[in-house]
Amino acid sequence: GAGVSQSPSNKVTEKGKDVELRCDPISGHTALYWYRQSLGQGLEFLIYFQGNSAPDKSGLPSDRFSAERTGGSVSTLTIQRTQQEDSAVYLCASSPTSMLINEQFFGPGTRLTVL
Amino acid sequence: QQQVKQSPQSLIVQKGGISIINCAYENTAFDYFPWYQQFPGKGPALLIAIRPDVSEKKEGRFTISFNKSAKQFSLHIMDSQPGDSATYFCAAKRNFNKFYFGSGTKLNVKP
Repeated sequence: GAGVSQSPSNKVTEKGKDVELRCDPISGHTALYWYRQSLGQGLEFLIYFQGNSAPDKSGLPSDRFSAERTGGSVSTLTIQRTQQEDSAVYLCASSPTSMLINEQFFGPGTRLTVL
Repeated sequence: QQQVKQSPQSLIVQKGGISIINCAYENTAFDYFPWYQQFPGKGPALLIAIRPDVSEKKEGRFTISFNKSAKQFSLHIMDSQPGDSATYFCAAKRNFNKFYFGSGTKLNVKP
């Protein structure tokens, strides 16, 4: 079956521009996560959507970062006025989040390069 | 406060050897402890996971050992192979809450 998809796979932008990264989770998954992974580093939690609950935005590094999840499915991560330190791979993951199933399925990521 | 601490940061093992990666957690409410494997250029993928009601789980060459009282869990890779060379992340969560990831261990299995 289809996994988590992300687009674009690569994005090169100039400093100061806004970018939008898209995540299509696995159909029916109620939970959606965004992470950032800098080169050779660990997973930095950004934001977590769980069903219709208010998202956990505690990981967003600044107010330049925002995310939406429309209709409980597709999510968009927006970075305004990009900075060079925003360069990283942005990973999306989804999970069915039942009492029995906790597995988190990751997409391939979007590699963002800010020049 | 880092919720999940992982060590070592990197590990070199000879082919056929045992790779051991350790994690410690803080929150006793965590009830799910997965390990993820990530190859370069790919997203992490679930390798094996355990719940705190068991002390060990084995799947093929991969074993999780879980010590609830010490709040520690570890991944053992038996008969390590060059194809196991990847970055491994431990994680912890409790139901309907976010995952907390360790900082990752880069494993290199020498032929």
